[in-house]
Amino acid sequence: DIVMTQSPDSLAVSLGERATINCKSSQSVLFSSDNKNYLAWYQQKPGQPPNLLIYWASARESGVPDRFSGSGSGTDFTLTISSLQAEDVAVYYCQQYYSIPLTFGQGTRLEIK
Amino acid sequence: QVQLVESGGGVVQPGRSLRLSCAASGFTFSSYAMHWVRQAPGKGLEWVAVTSYDGSNKYYANFVKGRFTSSRDSSKNTLYLEMNSLRAEDTAVYYCARDGGYSSSWRYFFDYWGQGTLVTVSS
Repeated sequence: DIVMTQSPDSLAVSLGERATINCKSSQSVLFSSDNKNYLAWYQQKPGQPPNLLIYWASARESGVPDRFSGSGSGTDFTLTISSLQAEDVAVYYCQQYYSIPLTFGQGTRLEIK
Repeated sequence: QVQLVESGGGVVQPGRSLRLSCAASGFTFSSYAMHWVRQAPGKGLEWVAVTSYDGSNKYYANFVKGRFTSSRDSSKNTLYLEMNSLRAEDTAVYYCARDGGYSSSWRYFFDYWGQGTLVTVSS
């Protein structure tokens, strides 16, 4: 199984500042035949189901604000929120879809400083 | 708009069975693979199973070990999860989620989620 490890476990950032969440996979999720990274990011607010933010490591889902961006390749990935808004308080998860079983990171809790 | 509504959760004794349902609307159900993902109270997300758009292919997490069966009825636009030999560690909110791909082009990420149904395994 591919193990996904996020860092940090929790993060406090001031409004308007940049927030950065890291995700590392135990093996590469870059598929050589299509040169795509099989990595997604989700946001989960309290009491709600997760919401897809990013797929293919950097493709933003329709309707997701452009302050959210994804980067990275191979085994190391980053979710960046360029200017933190109050509504961004949530837990963020990365997920690999390179192989079954599909696996998630443990989550990163983002709070306002 | 896409809607996924889970039902069937509740309190069940260890070793017993439960069947969850996920009613889908707002899209062509028969054209999408569908997943089950669970979340234990206060914990992270854990993928459970996927069923292909036509029901012909199914894959499961290792911890299922033959205890769970995912199925679908496209005439009813409904996804099911039959859970047998339930254990305390199966206690979780169970979400159904739509695959981000279309038809035979599975993507294995999740673009729409239901609100979830809580399963509590306790004596």
